[in-house]
Amino acid sequence: SQTIHQWPATLVQPVGSPLSLECTVEGTSNPNLYWYRQAAGRGLQLLFYSVGIGQISSEVPQNLSASRPQDRQFILSSKKLLLSDSGFYLCAWSGYATGAKGTKNIQYFGAGTRLSVL
Amino acid sequence: QKEVEQNSGPLSVPEGAIASLNCTYSDRGSQSFFWYRQYSGKSPELIMSIYSNGDKEDGRFTAQLNKASQYVSLLIRDSQPSDSATYLCAVLGFQKLVFGTGTRLLVSP
Repeated sequence: SQTIHQWPATLVQPVGSPLSLECTVEGTSNPNLYWYRQAAGRGLQLLFYSVGIGQISSEVPQNLSASRPQDRQFILSSKKLLLSDSGFYLCAWSGYATGAKGTKNIQYFGAGTRLSVL
Repeated sequence: QKEVEQNSGPLSVPEGAIASLNCTYSDRGSQSFFWYRQYSGKSPELIMSIYSNGDKEDGRFTAQLNKASQYVSLLIRDSQPSDSATYLCAVLGFQKLVFGTGTRLLVSP
């Protein structure tokens, strides 16, 4: 079965410090990978997605960047954090699952990283 | 117009009642639809997926899809206090899921 690992679970960083969040997926190959951010009490905002190694699509211009150095590894980075970067960061993967009724696309989330920028 | 719209709620129902959550979407070409449940402070959990018009039942949950009217709904029968959470509707676009902002459901004992 597929699993997604995301760490750390919580992070407190000062303004202006760098950031690196890592996400890895097991049990699947060539997944689509996603980074979302959820501000307190708000919906999910798609930040980046990747359909393959080195292929990154940015949804929202911002202080963050993403990289995919390996097939099942997705990294979210920042050179200098802003107060507005605080939030709940979620990595997700999507792929196809084959069952009795055919092959369907599904998407699952990691446990998330709660980032507080002070 | 937002791509996926949901009423933010909260939707309050008594224990044992049916909770009805609704979602509309703008892309007529969408083919895959999902409902996620998110407890406070946790990541979203996939609870239902639906791909064809009509109803799909899984235990106490029923997802309903009407592509002509561009809406998808989730019914929760015999609601329990443990069902209290935010329910996110998601629609698969090109290479990515588009999420609604979620409906908060409160089930009172």
